[in-house]
Formats: sequence, structure tokens, C-alpha cells
Amino acid sequence: DTGVSQDPRHKITKRGQNVTFRCDPISEHNRLYWYRQTLGQGPEFLTYFQNEAQLEKSRLLSDRFSAERPKGSFSTLEIQRTEQGDSAMYLCASSFTGGRGGNTIYFGEGSWLTVV
Amino acid sequence: AQTVTQSQPEMSVQEAETVTLSCTYDTSESDYYLFWYKQPPSRQMILVIRQEAYKQQNATENRFSVNFQKAAKSFSLKISDSQLGDAAMYFCAYRSSGGATNKLIFGTGTLLAVQP
Repeated sequence: DTGVSQDPRHKITKRGQNVTFRCDPISEHNRLYWYRQTLGQGPEFLTYFQNEAQLEKSRLLSDRFSAERPKGSFSTLEIQRTEQGDSAMYLCASSFTGGRGGNTIYFGEGSWLTVV
Repeated sequence: AQTVTQSQPEMSVQEAETVTLSCTYDTSESDYYLFWYKQPPSRQMILVIRQEAYKQQNATENRFSVNFQKAAKSFSLKISDSQLGDAAMYFCAYRSSGGATNKLIFGTGTLLAVQP
């Protein structure tokens, strides 16, 4: 088990372009989360999935943002028509409901986005 | 809505000494979880310790312990015998125990420096 994996780790894009991030959760984890973190701030919740169902979305997730988890395994986060304000680190996390550990959430190393 | 406040943006401790990081939170719920996460310069968020609100006993994990004061809504982290590897950003986080939401609500973090 290699933990939560995110790709790419760094992305520089021009304003107006679309970007997509991928997250591979810890195997067997049925919940997957996306957070956004800007410098000097704590992570802010964006959305989460239980299996393939997207169960909660933050108001931070504008119409330009879309997340999917088509088979209940990996997830993608797409940002369309990027803006400079989208520059941040996008963190993926996963957890398993049930068993010991009580839904502890494990994070990936994040994907840094810079919009120029 | 729940909020988490970390009033110490930066802290410093000498190697082998003890340091306490403060966290307060606001909630109307009676059952919830509290966490301390560590984010080293490599940026991967690592769980340090967790506390279930229904447990009166303070959680302990090796050199890390918490002082959980439910009535005061306070959740401080004590690091004993500080090591150079403890240098990181520390985030306090809250999560509801039940209901539909599964998101972690983070504070703004405390940057801990460990002096040799």
C-alpha cells in the first residue's frame, strides 16, 4: 500500500486553460476527498465521494470545477477556464468507513497549481 | 457552522524541550472528533493524534499528547522531548461524528520551529 497518490505534483498553466488532477486513494478506501490549500492557510474542503457517489460539494466548488470518481476508485478534479485565483495546492485524501481507526482520513502529497 | 481557531501562527522550541500548541473550536454538537495533523515541508499531511469527544481520557501517542477540555472547547497539543523532525506546520481539525457531512474543518495552522 503506497498511500494516497496524486498526479501531477506540479502544474503551471496559462489563465483560461483547463487542467485536470488525478488522485489514487489507498486501496479499499471507499471515501475520497478533495481539499484546496493556499499559502498560510489550512486546507478547505471542496467535495467528497463515497464510492462513486459525490455526496457533498462546498460552495467553494464553482461551476468551473468538476470532480468525478467513475468506478469508485481513482478520482479526477478538473478546473475549466482557470483563473489566477485558482492557484493553490489541491489535496486529495481518502478514508475507510468501518473497522478500527474510525474513518481516519489520510492525505496525499498534493498537486500544486500555478496559473499565470 | 463549526470553526477552528489556532491563535499561534508560529512557535519555537529547543530540541529536547516541551512545547504546547493551542487550538480552540466552536460547535453546537456534542459528538465529534478532533485531530492534529502535521504538514512537513514535503507538504504531505500526516495524522499526529485524534480525540473522540465522548472520551474523557486525553489521547496520547508516544511523545504527543493532547489536553482536551470539552466545556472550554479547547484542544491543545503537547510535544515532549522535541526533535528536529518535529519542525512542521501543525493543523488542528474538527469533524462531526454523525450526519451527512464528513469534511474536516481546519484551523490556520501553527508553524513550529525546533532549534538545535
